[in-house]
Amino acid sequence: DTAVSQTPKYLVTQMGNDKSIKCEQNLGHDTMYWYKQDSKKFLKIMFSYNNKELIINETVPNRFSPKSPDKAHLNLHINSLELGDSAVYFCASSQDDQGSNYGYTFGSGTRLTVV
Amino acid sequence: KQEVTQIPAALSVPEGENLVLNCSFTDSAIYNLQWFRQDPGKGLTSLLLIQSSQREQTSGRLNASLDKSSGRSTLYIAASQPGDSATYLCAVDNFNKFYFGSGTKLNVKP
Repeated sequence: DTAVSQTPKYLVTQMGNDKSIKCEQNLGHDTMYWYKQDSKKFLKIMFSYNNKELIINETVPNRFSPKSPDKAHLNLHINSLELGDSAVYFCASSQDDQGSNYGYTFGSGTRLTVV
Repeated sequence: KQEVTQIPAALSVPEGENLVLNCSFTDSAIYNLQWFRQDPGKGLTSLLLIQSSQREQTSGRLNASLDKSSGRSTLYIAASQPGDSATYLCAVDNFNKFYFGSGTKLNVKP
């Protein structure tokens, strides 16, 4: 019954590989987000989708591409992985693109390690 | 289960005032506590992060304190500006599981 679920929880891969992280929410929320948590634990938004439409696209390398097949899913594809991509990636969802205080829910994170 | 409460729910102040936002949590076994700023349509912006072993963090006009034993944190904003108008959220990190407060909606009037 997890509200926002990310898979995998841990991902170890070699430089240069292409990988995907999946995110699904069963809350009926309209908006989904990807955040990267840096080594200092700060969360930085990467992308936001509202009803399958991209609404936020922060300055991230174009090796990162989000894909939203429907409003319950927002997957993150990363091409040509680099050492600096190692981080924890969080998916989140909210009731609308205003980020309703009561509807903002985070997944448990995916720890990506590039070796 | 961790519960995070923020008081007040909304605050309206004239420009230039100093203000304090409050956050309390029920389970003191936290990894860290973060204060976020939320602007409509822009997700969350992390403002300050306090590790569980720390008491205080400062960034510009912002100062956040943490008293883990009593389950409290405050965010102090000095010399508020209209650009500070936003919703401020505190979140406790129980080892990568974030519990958010309901936020304080701040309006700084010019």
